Amino acid sequence: KNQVEQSPQSLIILEGKNCTLQCNYTVSPFSNLRWYKQDTGRGPVSLTIMTFSENTKSNGRYTATLDADTKQSSLHITASQLSDSASYICVVSGDDYKLSFGAGTTVTVRA
Amino acid sequence: DSGVTQTPKHLITATGQRVTLRCSPRSGDLSVYWYQQSLDQGLQFLIQYYNGEERAKGNILERFSAQQFPDLHSELNLSSLELGDSALYFCASSVGAGGFEQYFGPGTRLTVT
Repeated sequence: KNQVEQSPQSLIILEGKNCTLQCNYTVSPFSNLRWYKQDTGRGPVSLTIMTFSENTKSNGRYTATLDADTKQSSLHITASQLSDSASYICVVSGDDYKLSFGAGTTVTVRA
Repeated sequence: DSGVTQTPKHLITATGQRVTLRCSPRSGDLSVYWYQQSLDQGLQFLIQYYNGEERAKGNILERFSAQQFPDLHSELNLSSLELGDSALYFCASSVGAGGFEQYFGPGTRLTVT
């Protein structure tokens, strides 16, 4: 069964600090991995999408890494802002058009 | 604004009833996806349509059905509603069938009482 596991489940950081979220997956064969940001009660918004040949991709203060050999990805948030408070979801796609979603990491940024 | 629209925004109904949720994809997108997100739960993929045809199926209950019309808008029909069906229902769209990048709508919040 294809699985996507995210850690930690939640974290609290001070404004201006950095944090890293983890995503481990077992989806095979692998097509691409995406990170989404979801504000409470809103639809997810794509942050990054990476295929198996990409190791890192940035979107502003968000940097995602991918190690397709170990089936691990991370999302690094630099110089966090209050607006970064949200749920971050890792989504892995196989080659069958089906998506496997992680449960998400809830990030709370405090002033 | 993702360009994906969903109606209604909120829906309150009683157990046993039937409701229809509507989604209009971004202009030019041929794929529509439906997701369910229960309270404090992750997104659950329900079903995908591509250019009017069912493309992929996830954890969709038999009481639920969907379709995509020639103008590419989609409807998700939920019948014999139960309390556990209360959730946020999101629609997403993408250009192609592979869903390489999906754009999510604002969601419909369904409350079953």
